[in-house]
Amino acid sequence: GQSLEQPSEVTAVEGAIVQINCTYQTSGFYGLSWYQQHDGGAPTFLSYNALDGLEETGRFSSFLSRSDSYGYLLLQELQMKDSASYFCAVSHYGQNFVFGPGTRLSVLP
Amino acid sequence: DTAVSQTPKYLVTQMGNDKSIKCEQNLGHDTMYWYKQDSKKFLKIMFSYNNKELIINETVPNRFSPKSPDKAHLNLHINSLELGDSAVYFCASSHRQGGTNYGYTFGSGTRLTVV
Repeated sequence: GQSLEQPSEVTAVEGAIVQINCTYQTSGFYGLSWYQQHDGGAPTFLSYNALDGLEETGRFSSFLSRSDSYGYLLLQELQMKDSASYFCAVSHYGQNFVFGPGTRLSVLP
Repeated sequence: DTAVSQTPKYLVTQMGNDKSIKCEQNLGHDTMYWYKQDSKKFLKIMFSYNNKELIINETVPNRFSPKSPDKAHLNLHINSLELGDSAVYFCASSHRQGGTNYGYTFGSGTRLTVV
C-alpha cells in the first residue's frame, strides 16, 4: 500500500517563508506532486518532481529526495491569499496520484 | 472556456435515491478520474478511465458506476444513496507523456449531501 505524511497545520505571518514537509512510503514511485486547495475550491496543480533536487516556480519551490522518500514545498514571501490546504501526492506507477492528508496553512497579518 | 466542468455543483438528495454527476474536459486529455474528498479533506481515488477504458477501479461499493461515452466525458452514477456517500466528488483529467502522468486538472467539484 501507500502512505504519506504531512503536518496537519502550519501557521506563518505575511512575508515569511514556510516549508511543508511530506514523507511517503509507496511502491511504484514515479514522482511527487503538490496541489493547493482553497476552502470550497478545487485542488490546483503547483509542481511535479520526478528527479532529486529543487524546482522553483516563482514564490513556490518544491524539493524531492528519492533516497529519503521525502519532499517539501517551500513558499516564500507569504501572502494572505496563500492561506489554503496543501497536498502532496505521489505518482503511482505513473498512472494515478495518491494524495497525502493535506496541510492547512494559515497566513497571519 | 472551463477546462474540466462538472455538473451539478451542489446536489442534495434523500437516502435511497439514484443520482448522476457529469464531467466533461476540453483539454484533449486521454485520462479522466473520479476522486472523493471526505469531511476531513482526504482525497481518495475511485475510478480512472484512459481513452474510454476503465483502468483503475478502487474498492468502491458497486452502487457507484462510472461511464465514459468518449474520452472527453466521464460520468458517475450512484444508486441507492446512503448517508455515508455525502462528500465532495471531484472529476480530474490528465495527459500521459511517455507513459507518465505529470499532474491533474480538477473540476470544481460536486458537493453531495444525502439526507
